[in-house]
Amino acid sequence: ETGVTQSPTHLIKTRGQQVTLRCSSQSGHNTVSWYQQALGQGPQFIFQYYREEENGRGNFPPRFSGLQFPNYSSELNVNALELDDSALYLCASSLGGLAGAGELFFGEGSRLTVL
Amino acid sequence: AQRVTQPEKLLSVFKGAPVELKCNYSYSGSPELFWYVQYSRQRLQLLLRHISRESIKGFTADLNKGETSFHLKKPFAQEEDSAMYYCALSPYNTDKLIFGTGTRLQVFP
Repeated sequence: ETGVTQSPTHLIKTRGQQVTLRCSSQSGHNTVSWYQQALGQGPQFIFQYYREEENGRGNFPPRFSGLQFPNYSSELNVNALELDDSALYLCASSLGGLAGAGELFFGEGSRLTVL
Repeated sequence: AQRVTQPEKLLSVFKGAPVELKCNYSYSGSPELFWYVQYSRQRLQLLLRHISRESIKGFTADLNKGETSFHLKKPFAQEEDSAMYYCALSPYNTDKLIFGTGTRLQVFP
């Protein structure tokens, strides 16, 4: 069974640039969620994708967008980067529905630094 | 507002001592509560959930709806329990978790 994998692990961007982060979900999981974890904070929910459709969004501006592909992998895109976007971005996959409610399987994260 | 509060950033105990990591929540409904743990150089993973009412690695947590709390307890801490612990709330039947800020548990020999 393959776990959740994320790429890249680290990256540095400058203000105003755009970034794409990638995530491969755990085998058999159809739901992918993205979280932002700033230093010293808990993960904050960005949005979730279920079978290629957005299925809920947290309090993040529209410049945070995403995609889910037919193989359930996912991308997180952030446009017009700001300094406060510097954080660890976590991807988590789950079974979705009632069976796996609340049990998320996390990747190791992509650490984004915005200069 | 939906919120999870973990008042302690750091909790330090000696091996064999009891441990209680505090978690309070704010939610107007029937939440599901979880504890997630992150050991050094490992990814965040589920430790336990309240609906299972199980003990994992000697840890238990009881949901107290009157006090809106979900404290994590272990009677005798072990060095391998040293980790970052996050309490999380899930609005009913969803995977959209609301996390607290976490408590770092240090268990000294």
